[in-house]
Amino acid sequence: SQTIHQWPATLVQPVGSPLSLECTVEGTSNPNLYWYRQAAGRGLQLLFYSVGIGQISSEVPQNLSASRPQDRQFILSSKKLLLSDSGFYLCAWSGDIYQPQHFGDGTRLSIL
Amino acid sequence: GEDVEQSLFLSVREGDSSVINCTYTDSSSTYLYWYKQEPGAGLQLLTYIFSNMDMKQDQRLTVLLNKKDKHLSLRIADTQTGDSAIYFCAETPMGYSTLTFGKGTMLLVSP
Repeated sequence: SQTIHQWPATLVQPVGSPLSLECTVEGTSNPNLYWYRQAAGRGLQLLFYSVGIGQISSEVPQNLSASRPQDRQFILSSKKLLLSDSGFYLCAWSGDIYQPQHFGDGTRLSIL
Repeated sequence: GEDVEQSLFLSVREGDSSVINCTYTDSSSTYLYWYKQEPGAGLQLLTYIFSNMDMKQDQRLTVLLNKKDKHLSLRIADTQTGDSAIYFCAETPMGYSTLTFGKGTMLLVSP
């Protein structure tokens, strides 16, 4: 069966520091991969999605970037974190555009 | 653009039925989903329905879709305290892999 892993689960970082969040999927090949941010107001904002290695679509211009160095690995990065980057970051995968998305357990990011 | 609306809060007693409602604006929606999020956790896919269906039942869950009114509902029978969570409605338009989510309905089940 397919599983999705995100780490770390919790992260506290100072303003201006870099960021790297990792997400990996097991048990499937060539998944669609997604990064979301969930702010305190509960809504989910799609940040990036990828339909293949090296293919990244950005939904919202901001201080973050994403990369997909391997088929089942999706990384969310920042060179310099801002206070506004705080939130709950969720990674998800789907088999294709007509399959439901399955979410990881999320990373709680706090910026001090 | 696409929009998905949900009421923010619902409170029920244990053993009652819960009905969570959702409206969407995109008439090209192909699939509509219900996700559950418990505190501090990721989203768990509960069920989904294809837009050419009116109803789908899965154990205690019943999904009703009124495509004409663009209205989706999730009924939970015999609601338990463990059902307390935030429930998200989401839709995906034809030919797209991205989801549009509502802001979530917080369901509180009291004993």
